Amino acid sequence: AQSVTQLGSHVSVSEGALVLLRCNYSSSVPPYLFWYVQYPNQGLQLLLKYTSAATLVKGINGFEAEFKKSETSFHLTKPSAHMSDAAEYFCAVSDPDSGGYQKVTFGTGTKLQVIP
Amino acid sequence: DTAVSQTPKYLVTQMGNDKSIKCEQNLGHDTMYWYKQDSKKFLKIMFSYNNKELIINETVPNRFSPKSPDKAHLNLHINSLELGDSAVYFCASSSSGQGSGYTFGSGTRLTVV
Repeated sequence: AQSVTQLGSHVSVSEGALVLLRCNYSSSVPPYLFWYVQYPNQGLQLLLKYTSAATLVKGINGFEAEFKKSETSFHLTKPSAHMSDAAEYFCAVSDPDSGGYQKVTFGTGTKLQVIP
Repeated sequence: DTAVSQTPKYLVTQMGNDKSIKCEQNLGHDTMYWYKQDSKKFLKIMFSYNNKELIINETVPNRFSPKSPDKAHLNLHINSLELGDSAVYFCASSSSGQGSGYTFGSGTRLTVV
């Protein structure tokens, strides 16, 4: 079964600093990978996704992620943090063995705190 | 116009009661899902329907029964509610096939007292 591991349940950065949220995946076949963001008391919103096209994926709000097969990683980055980026971030993987349908497994989440 | 809408947003009820949560999507997606998010923010899939057909049924107590009257609607009925059922329940939808990602509703916070 596919899985993702998010390193660090809490990450704090200063406003304007680099944001780096780590995600490693486990998959026996090329996976589909996603990053979602959840603001307080809201649902999850898709930030970006990797579907085996370009390894560097650009998403909304200035975020991007790079798929590195050799490291089984899909880390999320943003060059300069804004206060509005404070939220919970989830890495996720789609299980290709789910009979042709999407079955997405989520990581445990990383709470990003942005310090003024 | 909300893409995936859930009702109610909040639900407080006593142990032993039966309750339902409704979900509707206007995106034309074929597949809908129910996820449970616990107090530690962990998300676990419960059910998925594709064109009204149940395709994913994880290990969930049989007190939970999903129903999909058409591909735009997916409801969740819970019998004999227990304290441990307290969580946020999210509905989501997607197009068929891998890689498209989900669109989530804003969630239903269920509190069992």
